[in-house]
Amino acid sequence: GAVVSQHPSWVICKSGTSVKIECRSLDFQATTMFWYRQFPKQSLMLMATSNEGSKATYEQGVEKDKFLINHASLTLSTLTVTSAHPEDSSFYICSARDPSEGMNTEAFFGQGTRLTVV
Amino acid sequence: QKEVEQDPGPLSVPEGAIVSLNCTYSNSAFQYFMWYRQYSRKGPELLMYTYSSGNKEDGRFTAQVDKSSKYISLFIRDSQPSDSATYLCASSNTGKLIFGQGTTLQVKP
Repeated sequence: GAVVSQHPSWVICKSGTSVKIECRSLDFQATTMFWYRQFPKQSLMLMATSNEGSKATYEQGVEKDKFLINHASLTLSTLTVTSAHPEDSSFYICSARDPSEGMNTEAFFGQGTRLTVV
Repeated sequence: QKEVEQDPGPLSVPEGAIVSLNCTYSNSAFQYFMWYRQYSRKGPELLMYTYSSGNKEDGRFTAQVDKSSKYISLFIRDSQPSDSATYLCASSNTGKLIFGQGTTLQVKP
C-alpha cells in the first residue's frame, strides 16, 4: 500500500521555540494531506486540511497563526508549531490519500510525531 | 453528541477469543466506514474499509455496517496477543475522516 512518512518521530523543545514536522507521500502525489492531533487515550482530532499550492483549511478552534501549514509540493506538507507551550505537547499525525483512487478511499497515516514542550 | 461514538474500553480477552468492537454514528450521510489499528506511539494503520451497508471479511477480521441502525462492527476471530492495540472506527462522506475515540484491546496469552 501507499506509504506516508513523517519526521521527526519525536521532538523535545523549549517553551517559546518553534518546531517543524514534515509529512511526505513516498509513492504517490498527494494534492491533499491532513493533520491530526491526538492526546493520550483520546481519538484523532482533525486540525487542518493541507492543500497543495493553496492555503490550508483549519478546523474550528485551531489557531492558524500558531499551527502553520505549508504544502509546497505534491509530496510534502509541513506543520510548524510556533511559539510552542507545554499545552501543545501532543501526538501529531499526518495522513494522505492517493487522489487517483478517489476522494473517499483509504487514507494512509504517517508514523506520528510526539512533541514534548518543556 | 459526537458524530462517531466508541466505547474506549479497555477490553481484555483471552487468546483465541472472538472479539467484537462496535461504533455508532449519527450522520446518515456517512457512506464510507473504516477500521484502523493503532499501536502505542504509532500512526494508525488501515485494517478494513467498507462502503455502505454489508459485511466484508479479510482473514480473521470481519467488518459489518448496518446503516439502518447506524452501527458498525469489527469482529476478530482467534484473537492473538499481537492484536493488542487500540482500534479506531472512522466514517466519511466528504473525504474528511471522523474518528471514534478508539477501543483499547488486550489479548492475554
